[in-house]
Amino acid sequence: EPEVTQTPSHQVTQMGQEVILRCVPISNHLYFYWYRQILGQKVEFLVSFYNNEISEKSEIFDDQFSVERPDGSNFTLKIRSTKLEDSAMYFCASTPDRGRTEAFFGQGTRLTVV
Amino acid sequence: AQSVAQPEDQVNVAEGNPLTVKCTYSVSGNPYLFWYVQYPNRGLQFLLKYITGDNLVKGSYGFEAEFNKSQTSFHLKKPSALVSDSALYFCAVREDGNNRLAFGKGNQVVVIP
Repeated sequence: EPEVTQTPSHQVTQMGQEVILRCVPISNHLYFYWYRQILGQKVEFLVSFYNNEISEKSEIFDDQFSVERPDGSNFTLKIRSTKLEDSAMYFCASTPDRGRTEAFFGQGTRLTVV
Repeated sequence: AQSVAQPEDQVNVAEGNPLTVKCTYSVSGNPYLFWYVQYPNRGLQFLLKYITGDNLVKGSYGFEAEFNKSQTSFHLKKPSALVSDSALYFCAVREDGNNRLAFGKGNQVVVIP
């Protein structure tokens, strides 16, 4: 069964450093997403991406965040200058279309900012 | 704005007994409703969805959920719980025409042998 894969599974970084989280969405999917889950809290939407541009973003997704699809398979989330409060589990997801289909989630990357 | 409420933090149930996890939602348009399950150190795994049609939807692992428009609810149910059903369950809603999923805070289900 096709799946969304994320690397690394765990990333530890120092405050102020840049991190790139990587995702390989399901190959025939067209919409890509990043969500995050701070420990003990709900899963929050960050951004959606379609046709090589951001289609929607939340208020969390400020200027320190960016997304990119550098090639035909990878989808990345970059956090430019990490803060302690960026520590969370980051989930990548993809869907083949916009509305009715369930999102397929990756295993997540646990980001720890120290 | 779309939102989801899962009123209980933890649901304890004895193995073999019926399991219910509650969810209510708020959207301004037509809702697309989803249930996901999360096992420890794992991603979100899709269980079932309501898009349109029959209010009772059946999903993976014997789970089902009933869409109730008047009560704006989408409770998850399983007639006979297994110990292996112990996990974190998330209800989510997407509004028609919208990309983002709004999640509830999740319910920890503990099935007692």
